[in-house]
Amino acid sequence: EAQVTQNPRYLITVTGKKLTVTCSQNMNHEYMSWYRQDPGLGLRQIYYSMNVEVTDKGDVPEGYKVSRKEKRNFPLILESPSPNQTSLYFCASSPGNPTSGQYFGPGTRLTVT
Amino acid sequence: QQQVKQSPQSLIVQKGGIPIINCAYENTAFDYFPWYQQFPGKGPALLIAIRPDVSEKKEGRFTISFNKSAKQFSLHIMDSQPGDSATYFCAASGEAGGTSYGKLTFGQGTILTVHP
Repeated sequence: EAQVTQNPRYLITVTGKKLTVTCSQNMNHEYMSWYRQDPGLGLRQIYYSMNVEVTDKGDVPEGYKVSRKEKRNFPLILESPSPNQTSLYFCASSPGNPTSGQYFGPGTRLTVT
Repeated sequence: QQQVKQSPQSLIVQKGGIPIINCAYENTAFDYFPWYQQFPGKGPALLIAIRPDVSEKKEGRFTISFNKSAKQFSLHIMDSQPGDSATYFCAASGEAGGTSYGKLTFGQGTILTVHP
């Protein structure tokens, strides 16, 4: 089944404790992206990747890191999480052209206390 | 700074009604305008999309109207059903080679409720 998977689905952590949210897609998509969803703000793009080893900042990259060493994986790293990073995070992927419609993962709900 | 503004925040209609959700954008480099539908507990899913070279696109009961000069676009849902109850997001992306290419900017979302 073609899908985007994220792990973990739920995470509660404390301020400053480094964490990684994994994202993997099995559709051989070149484009991958991370978003955070907050009430009243919609989805905001954190980082995106047009291909392996190519990443770019979205609208809210501060406090996040990403890497794209393999085509299928695009992990999101929070080096020192803070409470304002409490949010619902989505990973998405699409074929070569990012405007061809993105496939979203199921989401990761992160709480930072 | 929200480059894509969406309204209303929430919308309630009766079954068979025609909800209309509106979006306005500022960046004239945007050239791709999708709508996503999100059900509770799920990730968004692409519903329909339009480019500025057409003023309207229809897929089933869903229609996008696009006004390039006003920098506005809207989603109409004909003969709405309770199963259409979801959150709807408009979005915009830029043309290849431009600074907005690869970025996808979303509106704030509209929670639609269709009563039976």
